[in-house]
Amino acid sequence: EDKVVQSPLSLVVHEGDTVTLNCSYEVTNFRSLLWYKQEKKAPTFLFMLTSSGIEKKSGRLSSILDKKELFSILNITATQTGDSAIYLCAAYPSSGNTGKLIFGQGTTLQVKP
Amino acid sequence: DVKVTQSSRYLVKRTGEKVFLECVQDMDHENMFWYRQDPGLGLRLIYFSYDVKMKEKGDIPEGYSVSREKKERFSLILESASTNQTSMYLCASSSWHRGYGYTFGSGTRLTVV
Repeated sequence: EDKVVQSPLSLVVHEGDTVTLNCSYEVTNFRSLLWYKQEKKAPTFLFMLTSSGIEKKSGRLSSILDKKELFSILNITATQTGDSAIYLCAAYPSSGNTGKLIFGQGTTLQVKP
Repeated sequence: DVKVTQSSRYLVKRTGEKVFLECVQDMDHENMFWYRQDPGLGLRLIYFSYDVKMKEKGDIPEGYSVSREKKERFSLILESASTNQTSMYLCASSSWHRGYGYTFGSGTRLTVV
């Protein structure tokens, strides 16, 4: 059975800290891995990773995929209170064409002032 | 600005009521999804649809049904609401043109009393 596992499930840090969120996957015919940020409303797209070892960056956020070890990490440097959110990791298997993503449990990040 | 719109942000219903949750997207996406989100369990797929009048069961379809009569609209129906269906419900859409990344609605927080 395909599955995605995130760790930790929750995390509390102080502003300025650096955090690393983990996502491991076991997905048949893996194609890509996606990260989303969910505040009070709809999850919003952060990154899509397809190739191993290539880091994607957006401001203080960065992510990388390791297809050999079957995991991805999301780094946030110099955290701010606005980074407080649930971070969702999802894997997309290439079989079929329904585009059904497989989600992890999510990591709830709280950044304290 | 393209979007996925869910008809209600908050909803309170009584046990045994028939409940309709509506989702409309304006991006001409072929795929649409209904998830429920519960703390510690992440996003769990209820039903999805990859074309008009087509539907497939997800991981937790029991107690739910769906309808997709038009491409832009995907409805989730709780035939007889129960307290264990109290949850956050998220609708999403995707298209192979965009690499299958999801666009999410803002969610409906349903409470069944």
